[in-house]
Amino acid sequence: DIQMTQSPSSLSASVGDRVTITCRASQSISNYLNWYQQKPGKAPNLLIYAASNLQSGVPSRFSGGGSGTDFTLTISNLQPEDFATYYCQQGNRTPLTFGGGTKVEI
Amino acid sequence: QVQLQQSGPGLVKPSQTLSLTCAISGDSVSSNSAAWNWIRQSPSRGLEWLGRTYYRSKWKNDYALSVKSRITINPDTSKNQFSLQLNSVSPEDTAVYYCTRASGPDKFDPWGQGTLVTVSS
Repeated sequence: DIQMTQSPSSLSASVGDRVTITCRASQSISNYLNWYQQKPGKAPNLLIYAASNLQSGVPSRFSGGGSGTDFTLTISNLQPEDFATYYCQQGNRTPLTFGGGTKVEI
Repeated sequence: QVQLQQSGPGLVKPSQTLSLTCAISGDSVSSNSAAWNWIRQSPSRGLEWLGRTYYRSKWKNDYALSVKSRITINPDTSKNQFSLQLNSVSPEDTAVYYCTRASGPDKFDPWGQGTLVTVSS
């Protein structure tokens, strides 16, 4: 199985900050990397697909990068509604696997 | 706009079968470009992909090894939905279960509303 490791597991930030979350795959996954945001009691919501493509309707302050084994999710100008948990997920091969999550707190 | 609506019991007894259904609107379970997945989430396991069903000239399934001996995911073309059956459940199967569509680079969107399934006597 491809292991996905996120760092940090949690972080504290303020409104207006720029935040970067890292995701590392245990083997190369090309650009088959997706990012999700999850708020308490809700299903995950797709933000970024294929490493750097913004899902329709997602604000442009979210951006993704990377390829191979190392990926980043950046939130610029953090907004109050961005405080949530973020997950990466590889779509390169089954079993499809997720990172452990990064909780962004105030 | 694709929407997924889950249904099924929230409480299952140990050793029995967990059964959930996901009704699809705005897309077809027989789509040649989508796959229909079940994912669960628990504090101990995080987000765990369980398996999928999809149609590519014929019906296919993929399952996670961790549940492969106990899981069945079936399409129902007459009702445009798909289902999850997980046999011989134990308390470790307690989780929130989600159905979701995968397309393109296996990106999951949209998701069902989630069903908390508790395994307890």
